[in-house]
Amino acid sequence: AQSVTQLGSHVSVSEGALVLLRCNYSSSVPPYLFWYVQYPNQGLQLLLKYTSAATLVKGINGFEAEFKKSETSFHLTKPSAHMSDAAEYFCAVSEAVRGYNKLIFGAGTRLAVHP
Amino acid sequence: DGGITQSPKYLFRKEGQNVTLSCEQNLNHDAMYWYRQDPGQGLRLIYYSQIVNDFQKGDIAEGYSVSREKKESFPLTVTSAQKNPTAFYLCASSIQGTHTEAFFGQGTRLTVV
Repeated sequence: AQSVTQLGSHVSVSEGALVLLRCNYSSSVPPYLFWYVQYPNQGLQLLLKYTSAATLVKGINGFEAEFKKSETSFHLTKPSAHMSDAAEYFCAVSEAVRGYNKLIFGAGTRLAVHP
Repeated sequence: DGGITQSPKYLFRKEGQNVTLSCEQNLNHDAMYWYRQDPGQGLRLIYYSQIVNDFQKGDIAEGYSVSREKKESFPLTVTSAQKNPTAFYLCASSIQGTHTEAFFGQGTRLTVV
């Protein structure tokens, strides 16, 4: 079975600082990986997805993630944090189960951005 | 605008009562899902449906039931058999097939009082 592990349940950065949210995956087949963002009391919004076309994936709101097979990682980064980036971020891996798409989520990382 | 609508946003239930959470989508997606979210645990799959009149149990289906009578609708009933129903419930949909992204509704927060 596939799984993802998000290192750090809480990350705090200063406005303008680099954002780095860590995600490691476990998969016996080439993985399909996603990053979602959730603002308080809201649903999840897709930031970006990796589908093996390119190892560096650019997403919305200035975020990007790099797929590193040797490290089984898919860390999310943003060069300069903005106050509006404060939210919870989820890494997910897609597993094909009987022809349907099962998303397996990590526990999430809450990002705080302070002035 | 296309999207997924969940209602109500907040729901309070007395112990021993069944409640039904609504999920409607106008994205013309075949697949629909229900997830439960608890603090620090990410999202866990309750039920999913790939086509009308067909649905399958996910990882934590006990105490829940669903129906899929229309493509657009996938209501979730939280029964009195669910021992700890207080949680945030998210409905999602996707196009048919594997490894496709899921689109999420705004969620329903259920509290047992």
